[in-house]
Amino acid sequence: ETGVTQSPTHLIKTRGQQVTLRCSSQSGHNTVSWYQQALGQGPQFIFQYYREEENGRGNFPPRFSGLQFPNYSSELNVNALELDDSALYLCASSPRTDTGELFFGEGSRLTVL
Amino acid sequence: AQTVTQSQPEMSVQEAETVTLSCTYDTSESDYYLFWYKQPPSRQMILVIRQEAYKQQNATENRFSVNFQKAAKSFSLKISDSQLGDAAMYFCAYSVGGYNKLIFGAGTRLAVHP
Repeated sequence: ETGVTQSPTHLIKTRGQQVTLRCSSQSGHNTVSWYQQALGQGPQFIFQYYREEENGRGNFPPRFSGLQFPNYSSELNVNALELDDSALYLCASSPRTDTGELFFGEGSRLTVL
Repeated sequence: AQTVTQSQPEMSVQEAETVTLSCTYDTSESDYYLFWYKQPPSRQMILVIRQEAYKQQNATENRFSVNFQKAAKSFSLKISDSQLGDAAMYFCAYSVGGYNKLIFGAGTRLAVHP
């Protein structure tokens, strides 16, 4: 059984640029969530996708957007990068939308200069 | 505001001993789930244990058990017979029923000494 995989593992961008992070969900999971984990903090919920539709969003501005594809893989896009966007971005998949039982990837470390 | 507080930034334990990690949370909801997640240095978060708020019985998973005090909004994790592989960041979290949005605490770093 293949777990959650994310790419890239590390990347460096400059302020104002755009970034796309990718996530392949665990086999059989139709729900994907994205979290932002700043250094020394717990993860913060960005949004969740279920069957290609966003069905929940945290307190993040519209320049954070996402997609989910028919195979349940997902993308996180961040436009107009700011220094504070530097963080570990975690993708998590789940077989259900409501249990909180999440299977996480290893994350994508984004550094904004 | 929905918050989770982990008052112990760091804890340490000797191998084979028992350690308890503290967590308090604040929610006005009556139906919710509580979790402990472990994040080893490899960064991949792993679910350790889950508790449904409507269940009075404390959840147990092998060496891991919780002490859930609903009225006090307290949810501590006890690790028995600690092993070197238990060394990690431990995050307490909760979600309101019907949703996968988890509210995480800031974490407790656990060191295990041989």
